[in-house]
Order: sequence, then C-alpha cells, then structure tokens
Amino acid sequence: DAGVTQSPTHLIKTRGQQVTLRCSPKSGHDTVSWYQQALGQGPQFIFQYYEEEERQRGNFPDRFSGHQFPNYSSELNVNALLLGDSALYLCASSFLSDIYGYTFGSGTRLTVV
Amino acid sequence: GENVEQHPSTLSVQEGDSAVIKCTYSDSASNYFPWYKQELGKRPQLIIDIRSNVGEKKDQRIAVTLNKTAKHFSLHITETQPEDSAVYFCAAGGAGSYQLTFGKGTKLSVIP
Repeated sequence: DAGVTQSPTHLIKTRGQQVTLRCSPKSGHDTVSWYQQALGQGPQFIFQYYEEEERQRGNFPDRFSGHQFPNYSSELNVNALLLGDSALYLCASSFLSDIYGYTFGSGTRLTVV
Repeated sequence: GENVEQHPSTLSVQEGDSAVIKCTYSDSASNYFPWYKQELGKRPQLIIDIRSNVGEKKDQRIAVTLNKTAKHFSLHITETQPEDSAVYFCAAGGAGSYQLTFGKGTKLSVIP
C-alpha cells in the first residue's frame, strides 16, 4: 500500500520565481495538510484541504496557495519566492474522522537562491 | 494561537540510560499531544500520542505523561539504544483547530 508520495524530492529555484509541489495522499485518506519545516525547526502548518476546499490556514502570506483535486491529491504553490522560503515542505494525509492521524510524506526540499 | 515550547534542544545519553524530553503548551483547550521521531533526511513518524482525558500512556520503552493543570507533557524513553538517536518533536492539537503546533525539536544522541 503506497504511503504519501511527494514530488519532486528536491528543487532549486531563483528568487522571484514560482514553484508547484505535489502530493498524493495515502490510499483512502481524504484530507491533506501542508507543513513547512525550516532547517533545525519543527514543522509549521501552512493549510489543510478537504473536499477541494481550504479548511484552515496557518500564518503564511497569500503567496502560498494550494489546491486539492477530486482524487484527493494536492498541490502547494508558492509565488514570488524569497530566500526565506527555503525549507522542507511536508505533506501529511489523514482521514477526516481522524484529523490528526497523519501519514507524512518524505517531503520536498526547496532551495531558493 | 497555540504555542509549544520544547526542552532540551539537544540531549546526549549513554546507551541503556533513560531520556526525558519536556514540552509546555499555552492553549488549555488543546486535547491531543503526539510525539514524532524524525531521523536525518526522513519523514516524521508518530511514536506515541496522548489525549487530555489520560494522564499517562506507555508503549514498551516509550511513555508519555500529561499534566493538564500545568499544561505540560513529557516523553520518557527507557533503556535507550543507538537506534533511538534522532530528532524528537512534540506537538499539540485540538482546541477547535485542524492544525498541529510543533515544538522546535530535541536532538537525541545515544552514545554506545
């Protein structure tokens, strides 16, 4: 049974560019949450999606946006990249009935130069 | 919003000794407290969790205790082994929120 799949695994972008990260949830999971993990820090909540709608958003600017598709997969988009956006971006899927029962993906390491 | 403080940031123990990591939270409405282990370059993995209606939970060498009055919870690892070396994160959830708020992590090193 496939767990959470994220792509790409690594990415290097230039300041000001835009990036799209992708996540396929664990089979059966219907809720996707995105977290940003800066080096040496704990994960920080970006937002959560269920039924193709953003349910809750963390303290991140509008440059961060997302989408969930009918098959429950999700994308995270970041516009106008800043050096400070360099981090590991983690996707976590869960059941709506067990909202914190996360399965994390291995993450996408984004480096902004 | 919720704020989670975690201590210590680094911890070194001899193999076979016990390790204790402590976290405090700010929102008294939080009711779910998981602990994650993250090995270098890998995804966070849940190792144990506790809900606010329980004071202590144990799973083999790992235990978590919760003091709701003081708003703190702790991870206890007994008989540590080199494979316990990793970064451990505590988190808090609930309080009408869909997010988990994580601590900054504790890097545990078990010295053989």
